[in-house]
Amino acid sequence: DAGITQSPRHKVTETGTPVTLRCHQTENHRYMYWYRQDPGHGLRLIHYSYGVKDTDKGEVSDGYSVSRSKTEDFLLTLESATSSQTSVYFCATGSGTYGYTFGSGTRLTVV
Amino acid sequence: KQEVTQIPAALSVPEGENLVLNCSFTDSAIYNLQWFRQDPGKGLTSLLLIQSSQREQTSGRLNASLDKSSGRSTLYIAASQPGDSATYLCAVIKNTLGNEKLTFGTGTRLTIIP
Repeated sequence: DAGITQSPRHKVTETGTPVTLRCHQTENHRYMYWYRQDPGHGLRLIHYSYGVKDTDKGEVSDGYSVSRSKTEDFLLTLESATSSQTSVYFCATGSGTYGYTFGSGTRLTVV
Repeated sequence: KQEVTQIPAALSVPEGENLVLNCSFTDSAIYNLQWFRQDPGKGLTSLLLIQSSQREQTSGRLNASLDKSSGRSTLYIAASQPGDSATYLCAVIKNTLGNEKLTFGTGTRLTIIP
């Protein structure tokens, strides 16, 4: 969907290094989310934001931090990447009234 | 804690058949419910959004129903086609004190056999 983009699309990183994933939306939505998707676990919420500088933890937030300094950008940071964080990461934005849209995902491999 | 279950986990049907996918949730105090499809290696594509005040929503060959009181939603696909093969996910949207969260089921992997 043209209204939401994620970068990078693919990344390979070494254990212990910091990694930042970016989500950018052009629709001026209040809500933004980061999910990870793993086989057997489905989509799990990492962190979410309900406005600039307003963020909260999801169900699998350990090892992750987020920042939202502008409405359009929501950054997910792995402070010190571990192999268990190898996953596909999805960003979402929208509203419950009109529906949510997902980005194309970032495939992260930690070696 | 909201739990969302989708049954069956996988389904294979011949082309042309009608089929029903199920989604159940434990907390009926939901805002809305959204159905998505996901093709292998791709992101999620929205199919239908059902408002909590609605009982049905239709888009082409797709029809989604919602029964909040029983904690159930179904996605009906008419005259299935090979292009319908994908994983289908339901997401329950809950609004608590103005903050919204989506909780997903683990999906139904659908294969349409030509």
